[in-house]
Amino acid sequence: AQRVTQPEKLLSVFKGAPVELKCNYSYSGSPELFWYVQYSRQRLQLLLRHISRESIKGFTADLNKGETSFHLKKPFAQEEDSAMYYCALNPNSNYQLIWGAGTKLIIKP
Amino acid sequence: GAGVSQSPRYKVAKRGQDVALRCDPISGHVSLFWYQQALGQGPEFLTYFQNEAQLDKSGLPSDRFFAERPEGSVSTLKIQRTQQEDSAVYLCASSLPTSGRAKETQYFGPGTRLLVL
Repeated sequence: AQRVTQPEKLLSVFKGAPVELKCNYSYSGSPELFWYVQYSRQRLQLLLRHISRESIKGFTADLNKGETSFHLKKPFAQEEDSAMYYCALNPNSNYQLIWGAGTKLIIKP
Repeated sequence: GAGVSQSPRYKVAKRGQDVALRCDPISGHVSLFWYQQALGQGPEFLTYFQNEAQLDKSGLPSDRFFAERPEGSVSTLKIQRTQQEDSAVYLCASSLPTSGRAKETQYFGPGTRLLVL
């Protein structure tokens, strides 16, 4: 079955520390993966996608097909990074997105 | 428009009541998606429209759920005879490409929080 797992419901780190939000997926084909973010009192928005190989707000994510992972990383966390982060999988390039349960990231001052 | 809008933002319904949730997508966006997000979970796909055509309704949990987009813009998600398990945030998203492929950016509305008592 196609599935996205975010093993941490809550991650708390100090400002300036590195951050890694874990995402593992279950899918036999070539996936397209995304990270979406929801800041407090704001709507869900796209953070980045693996096919773009981009860095947004200092975040990067590398697709590791061997480990079926798409972890989100940032070397130095900032307080404004505090938010809910969702990993999502698009199988078969159709229109459905399969979502993880989300990780709440708290950056402590 | 300024973004995807949804109304009402909050809805409290008594069990057995019918509800209608509205979504106004970004002007010109061809694709429209509905998701259900239970507390503590990620969104779950409900249905997808390309213009007025409902191309996928495989995620609708039961025949009590019905969605329409008659003129290819505004969409309504209707839930008949609501049950307590229907309590969730209902998210609408729209995207521009005619292909409707999920890999294109989806723009989300603020959601409607439904509580069924």
